[in-house]
Amino acid sequence: GENVGLHLPTLSVQEGDNSIINCAYSNSASDYFIWYKQESGKGPQFIIDIRSNMDKRQGQRVTVLLNKTVKHLSLQIAATQPGDSAVYFCAENPGRRALTFGSGTRLQVQP
Amino acid sequence: DAGITQSPRHKVTETGTPVTLRCHQTENHRYMYWYRQDPGHGLRLIHYSYGVKDTDKGEVSDGYSVSRSKTEDFLLTLESATSSQTSVYFCAIMRESYEQYFGPGTRLTVT
Repeated sequence: GENVGLHLPTLSVQEGDNSIINCAYSNSASDYFIWYKQESGKGPQFIIDIRSNMDKRQGQRVTVLLNKTVKHLSLQIAATQPGDSAVYFCAENPGRRALTFGSGTRLQVQP
Repeated sequence: DAGITQSPRHKVTETGTPVTLRCHQTENHRYMYWYRQDPGHGLRLIHYSYGVKDTDKGEVSDGYSVSRSKTEDFLLTLESATSSQTSVYFCAIMRESYEQYFGPGTRLTVT
């Protein structure tokens, strides 16, 4: 797709399996984190967010885990479906109303 | 969907020409953003606005200017386009809860 890089790390999973996408963030002062999904030719789509006073948050089929000790964020997708195939980005807010984005992970779901 | 539109959606222009991209929102959000997305770099902040006539630079602001004369419109101008500005440009708004929502993007090619 026109919006994603050629050298993104790729996670390939079978339909129905659970997916875990990881992200290391850089700023220990960041207090808010978001996961986005981006399909080819579209803008990033908000999936789920978490604040730094939490270590886990659940949505519909998705869970975000935050480990502030090692500055690590993960997105878990349950029962992955072909429609989940996309590039996933994490973003952090270091407190100035502007997000800093990771470089993304491509999720490929095999039917 | 946060009521964000971008125009044009695609543009091809020649080096040295001025280009203006428009972002329009329908929800009266105070914060608006311009990002560019390139392979290997993810999303990078160009400029953002925190109110009418209030703007600030992001990490890749050189060669770009912005204007916000009314709440609903945020314009990004390339005064003299260069080939390095070939990219996909995304506009975003931020809600009071810090969630950022993105427009559909503008694909700009500078030849």
